[in-house]
Amino acid sequence: DTEVTQTPKHLVMGMTNKKSLKCEQHMGHRAMYWYKQKAKKPPELMFVYSYEKLSINESVPSRFSPECPNSSLLNLHLHALQPEDSALYLCASSPTERVRGNTEAFFGQGTRLTVV
Amino acid sequence: ELKVEQNPLFLSMQEGKNYTIYCNYSTTSDRLYWYRQDPGKSLESLFVLLSNGAVKQEGRLMASLDTKARLSTLHITAAVHDLSATYFCAVDREGDMRFGAGTRLTVKP
Repeated sequence: DTEVTQTPKHLVMGMTNKKSLKCEQHMGHRAMYWYKQKAKKPPELMFVYSYEKLSINESVPSRFSPECPNSSLLNLHLHALQPEDSALYLCASSPTERVRGNTEAFFGQGTRLTVV
Repeated sequence: ELKVEQNPLFLSMQEGKNYTIYCNYSTTSDRLYWYRQDPGKSLESLFVLLSNGAVKQEGRLMASLDTKARLSTLHITAAVHDLSATYFCAVDREGDMRFGAGTRLTVKP
């Protein structure tokens, strides 16, 4: 199983709403990532969790709140977003060590978020 | 700070031709990845390269890594239309994974 599953696939939310994006993997990866990707741009790193602890926060506004409840799950809680936050949000996971024969980082299918 | 530079940003090729995409990075790295992205889709893993001199090939694509020069290349051989997509390199250093700007490849008949 080399899947990273993200839900929902699409989300439209108002600026006063609270919503959550979810990401799940069962590959035993202990590093999980959130990226934001605007159209025709590369993915931008937002957060990294390593062994369920937040290891990197790229100065992301507090209206984005990550959570890693266990080694398989990663959430991104959204509150009071702005229209410019509309983007594709990608979750990824990877091994934290050089595991022989399997060192890939896998991406989920993404959540396309529209803030209205 | 880890920085990744990729070029060219745009590449228009004719079918049957060869070309190379370059990826330079600023610090030592643990892993280097190449991904493909089709419009509106997520990232598809193509290659992961770990060590100096590593070379991997899959079909018409071949990736290589020179850790001393901090350079990876993605070579396209005899391009076909199906290869049209955006290609990203990404560098992972201690769990910090950063992307190049991407190369938008168009293969024309």
